Order: sequence, then structure tokens, then C-alpha cells
Amino acid sequence: AQRVTQPEKLLSVFKGAPVELKCNYSYSGSPELFWYVQYSRQRLQLLLRHISRESIKGFTADLNKGETSFHLKKPFAQEEDSAMYYCALSGPDSGNTPLVFGKGTRLSVIA
Amino acid sequence: NAGVTQTPKFRVLKTGQSMTLLCAQDMNHEYMYWYRQDPGMGLRLIHYSVGEGTTAKGEVPDGYNVSRLKKQNFLLGLESAAPSQTSVYFCASSYGATAGYTFGSGTRLTVV
Repeated sequence: AQRVTQPEKLLSVFKGAPVELKCNYSYSGSPELFWYVQYSRQRLQLLLRHISRESIKGFTADLNKGETSFHLKKPFAQEEDSAMYYCALSGPDSGNTPLVFGKGTRLSVIA
Repeated sequence: NAGVTQTPKFRVLKTGQSMTLLCAQDMNHEYMYWYRQDPGMGLRLIHYSVGEGTTAKGEVPDGYNVSRLKKQNFLLGLESAAPSQTSVYFCASSYGATAGYTFGSGTRLTVV
């Protein structure tokens, strides 16, 4: 079964400090992994997906198949990064299975 | 370019009442989804559709029904609302199962 675990409900960091939002997954095949972000009073939006290997708003995420992780990182946090972050997985080997989301981590960047 | 539009944005229902949430997308996406978002629970899939005329159950389908009569619209119905269905409902669409999703702005539903 596909499962996404985000172990931290809340993460507080100071402005300018490094950020790492953890995501671990359970999937037997080759997963497609995503990070979505939800700013206050806004809709969820795609932040990045591992297949594109992009850096969006200074965030990066590397898929580590050995550790089954897809942690989201940023070297220097900004106040505008405060938001809810969701890790999500799709299993292309499972046909049309929709995304499975983690429970989310709320990032609070303190000035 | 509207993307994904959900109506209504807010609604208060009494227990036992019924209602339909509408999701419309203008991106010609094949796939559409309904999720509910609850504190501490993340996003849970209610129902989804992989094309016009098709629907499938997600993780938490009980108490909900859906229809996809037109490609651009995906309706979520509550036949007899219960307080446990108080939640924020998000609709999303995508080109394919592994493509990025475009989300609507959500419907905040309260059942009293």
C-alpha cells in the first residue's frame, strides 16, 4: 500500500536558518513524488516534483530510494515561506491511482 | 484563465439536509478529484474520475456520491449531511494520474 509520512506537524525556524521538512514514503515500485504548499487562505499549489529536479522559491528535494525519503530543503528560510506543506506520492505502476498525501507540516518562520 | 472553480465557497447545513458541490475546470483535464481536508488528517481522497462518465471510490467515500456527466464538471453530493462531514472540500484536476494537480480554492462546509 502507498503511504506518505510527514513526522512533524509543526516546524518553527528563525528567519535565515536552514529548513528541512521531512517526508518518508512506502511504495514498492518507482514513485512519483511531489511537494504541495498551501499559504494562508489560499489554495494548494504544486511546489515541485522530483522528476523535474527544479528549484522553486529556493526549495529543493532529492529522492532517496534507499531511505525512501523525499525531504524538502531550503538553505535560508524567509518569513513568506510560512505555510502548510504536503508531501504526496503517486505510484505509476499502480495504474490510475490518485495522489496519496501526507498529513502535512506547518512551517512557521520567526522573524 | 479560471483553472479550477468550486462553488459554493461556504455553506452551513443542518443534519440530514442534502447539497451538491460543483467543481468546474477549463483546462481540458481528463482526471478530476474530490478531497477533504481536516486538521491533523491532511488530505483524504473521497472520489475521483479518470474521464467523462467514469467515477471511482477513494479512501473515504461513505456518505458521498459523485457524477461526471461532462468532462469539465465533477459534482460531489451529500445525500444526508452529518456533523462528521464538516470539513474543507477541495477539488483538483490533472492531465494524468502522475501529473501535477491544479486545485480549486475549496468549499468550507459546516454541518450543525
